Amino acid sequence: SQKIEQNSEALNIQEGKTATLTCNYTNYSPAYLQWYRQDPGRGPVFLLLIRENEKEKRKERLKVTFDTTLKQSLFHITASQPADSATYLCALDPTSNTGKLIFGQGTTLQVKP
Amino acid sequence: EAGVAQSPRYKIIEKRQSVAFWCNPISGHATLYWYQQILGQGPKLLIQFQNNGVVDDSQLPKDRFSAERLKGVDSTLKIQPAKLEDSAVYLCASSRLGDTQYFGPGTRLTVL
Repeated sequence: SQKIEQNSEALNIQEGKTATLTCNYTNYSPAYLQWYRQDPGRGPVFLLLIRENEKEKRKERLKVTFDTTLKQSLFHITASQPADSATYLCALDPTSNTGKLIFGQGTTLQVKP
Repeated sequence: EAGVAQSPRYKIIEKRQSVAFWCNPISGHATLYWYQQILGQGPKLLIQFQNNGVVDDSQLPKDRFSAERLKGVDSTLKIQPAKLEDSAVYLCASSRLGDTQYFGPGTRLTVL
């Protein structure tokens, strides 16, 4: 069956450390994968998109990798801050560029000062 | 640029009652999506509109849910009759064709 899975347990790290979140998928061949941030009581906010022919993408303190062989994406936040505390969702378009997104269940990150 | 607007923000109803949610997308965005997000889960796509036509409604429970997008702008999502398992946050998102989706704040529905 088709699945997209993220770490269901919350990730707790100390301020200044690097947070690494994992997204694994099975039985999909996505052309790209996206990462979103969601704060309590708010809708998801787009962060980064990485295409199947890109190994790595960076935006300020954020870095995303995409391994189509392992069917896995890693999302890194370097020099983490308490303000980075939120739920992070990965999503993929199973039909390639129709806009239809399948989301993982999200991983909650808590950065402690 | 104004974001995606949704109303109401919160709604509490009894099971078997009906409820409607409204969404106003970002100006110029032809594509509109409705998602259902149950607590602890990621958003699940219910229906996708391109202008005022339906692109995908394969996961919409059509026996009780309906949605329309008149004139290709605002959209309403209706549930009639509601069940306990419909308790969730209903998110509306919009995008230009093939572009990033922008989400509204959502409507939190509680069915008692």
